[in-house]
Amino acid sequence: GAVVSQHPSWVICKSGTSVKIECRSLDFQATTMFWYRQFPKQSLMLMATSNEGSKATYEQGVEKDKFLINHASLTLSTLTVTSAHPEDSSFYICSASRRYGYTFGSGTRLTVV
Amino acid sequence: GNSVTQMEGPVTLSEEAFLTINCTYTATGYPSLFWYVQYPGEGLQLLLKATKADDKGSNKGFEATYRKETTSFHLEKGSVQVSDSAVYFCAGSNTGKLIFGQGTTLQVKP
Repeated sequence: GAVVSQHPSWVICKSGTSVKIECRSLDFQATTMFWYRQFPKQSLMLMATSNEGSKATYEQGVEKDKFLINHASLTLSTLTVTSAHPEDSSFYICSASRRYGYTFGSGTRLTVV
Repeated sequence: GNSVTQMEGPVTLSEEAFLTINCTYTATGYPSLFWYVQYPGEGLQLLLKATKADDKGSNKGFEATYRKETTSFHLEKGSVQVSDSAVYFCAGSNTGKLIFGQGTTLQVKP
């Protein structure tokens, strides 16, 4: 079946540094990937939609300069949290769109200290 | 705009009890509907889906029927197990974007 590999699964970084999260579709081509953020005991909030070879579309209220998304190939999308602060600590999940549904990565737990 | 509403949790049941988690949607047209399950510290796994009215999705003993007349997609299981303890998300899509409900935590006690 279709697999989306997300790395790292967890990361701790210092305030002010940047962190890159990768999502790879392993056995299919993902023209569209979605990035979500999930706070503890809450639902998934869509942050942005990335399409291969074009700029990402951000949801209202999401800072595009803080959350940089790159979808350079049909199998790789990255989310970079720039100048991270403790309030950026969260669980980030990517999802690849396929013809008959969506496949999710396993998530990245980001802790900014 | 489109939205998905789930019953609030947590839901606590004894093993072998009957489970219902309500989900209703608001959307233009007829969205595809999904149930996802999330185990602690993990991503989401697709549990079942339905793409048109009267479709029934089923998997691992879970079922949900797409009811156009009530705009609902309630999740049911006849006999829950401790291993079913997780967070369940109802979601819908008719624009390419998945819209999630709030999530319902299910705890099954032995």
